Amino acid sequence: GAVVSQHPSRVICKSGTSVKIECRSLDFQATTMFWYRQFPKQSLMLMATSNEGSKATYEQGVEKDKFLINHASLTLSTLTVTSAHPEDSSFYICSATQEGDIQYFGAGTRLSVL
Amino acid sequence: KQEVTQIPAALSVPEGENLVLNCSFTDSAIYNLQWFRQDPGKGLTSLLLIQSSQREQTSGRLNASLDKSSGRSTLYIAASQPGDSATYLCALFTGTASKLTFGTGTRLQVTL
Repeated sequence: GAVVSQHPSRVICKSGTSVKIECRSLDFQATTMFWYRQFPKQSLMLMATSNEGSKATYEQGVEKDKFLINHASLTLSTLTVTSAHPEDSSFYICSATQEGDIQYFGAGTRLSVL
Repeated sequence: KQEVTQIPAALSVPEGENLVLNCSFTDSAIYNLQWFRQDPGKGLTSLLLIQSSQREQTSGRLNASLDKSSGRSTLYIAASQPGDSATYLCALFTGTASKLTFGTGTRLQVTL
């Protein structure tokens, strides 16, 4: 089956620093990757959709300058949380799709901002 | 805008019981519906995928049904086990920019 690797699984950082999260499709080329955010005991909320070689499409209410997304290749997308603050602490999950409907999910990244 | 609701929000059952999780959606124009399992602090594991033309899918002790006309899907778990304890999420694919819309989730606890 298709495998999506997300790294790191957990990161703790100081307020004001930037954090980069990587999402890789290991055995397929991902035409589209998605980034989700999940608050404790809540469902996943889509943050943005990224297509290889083009700018990401952000959902309403998501600050694109805060959450920088780069999809430089068909196997890698990155999410950078810039100038992180405690309210950015959350669980971030990526997914990737090749054929447009089946999304394969990474294991998630727990971000804690002190 | 598609809204997806799961009832109940939390459920605790003794081991061995059969149970049903519910997923309701407001827009019936869907391509498919998926049921996922999420363990605490972990990513998602896909359990079942039902295409819009199908009415149900089965995998082991799991059976998922889909009724587009009424905007409902159910996940039936037979002979529940403590290892089934997790959060179960339904998600709808509407084809719009390949987006999935997730339900609110049901936290299941199966006790010994």
